[in-house]
Amino acid sequence: DTGVSQNPRHKITKRGQNVTFRCDPISEHNRLYWYRQTLGQGPEFLTYFQNEAQLEKSRLLSDRFSAERPKGSFSTLEIQRTEQGDSAMYLCASNSAAGGPNNEQFFGPGTRLTVL
Amino acid sequence: AQTVTQSQPEMSVQEAETVTLSCTYDTSESDYYLFWYKQPPSRQMILVIRQEAYKQQNATENRFSVNFQKAAKSFSLKISDSQLGDAAMYFCAYKDRNRDDKIIFGKGTRLHILP
Repeated sequence: DTGVSQNPRHKITKRGQNVTFRCDPISEHNRLYWYRQTLGQGPEFLTYFQNEAQLEKSRLLSDRFSAERPKGSFSTLEIQRTEQGDSAMYLCASNSAAGGPNNEQFFGPGTRLTVL
Repeated sequence: AQTVTQSQPEMSVQEAETVTLSCTYDTSESDYYLFWYKQPPSRQMILVIRQEAYKQQNATENRFSVNFQKAAKSFSLKISDSQLGDAAMYFCAYKDRNRDDKIIFGKGTRLHILP
């Protein structure tokens, strides 16, 4: 068990560029979550997958954001036409549906995005 | 909508002393989970302790314990015998038992441990 991994750990981009982040969950976990954490705030839920199906999306996930989990393993989060307000830490978490409603979400180290 | 409020942005405690972090929440649900997560600087978030709303007994994990007051919607974290490694952001969080998706986090309390 190597834990949840995220790449890259840091990304600096210019406004208007597209960026893509990757999350690799713990191997036996079929649920995967994306959160955004801005400076001085707690994480805010963006979306989650069970296997390859995207089951819930927050209103925070504007049409410039898209998340995929094509094979039910790793996931990508893409932001198109980045804006300075997108600067944040993007966190990924995973767990297993078999763990029941009490199931702990295991978090990755995050990808810190800076939009200049 | 559920909300979680942490009113202490920062706190400091002397090493080996006891500190209590406060949290209040709002929900119309009767069955839910409450959590305290720890986020050390530049490291990933880890679960410290969890409380199931239907259990009256307060959860404890070694030096960490909670004071869960369901009627008052209060959920404080007590850290006993504080250690330098306890320095971190602490987030209070809520999850509806009947939902599989999001955890709702407070804004966090930054805890400093003074040697």
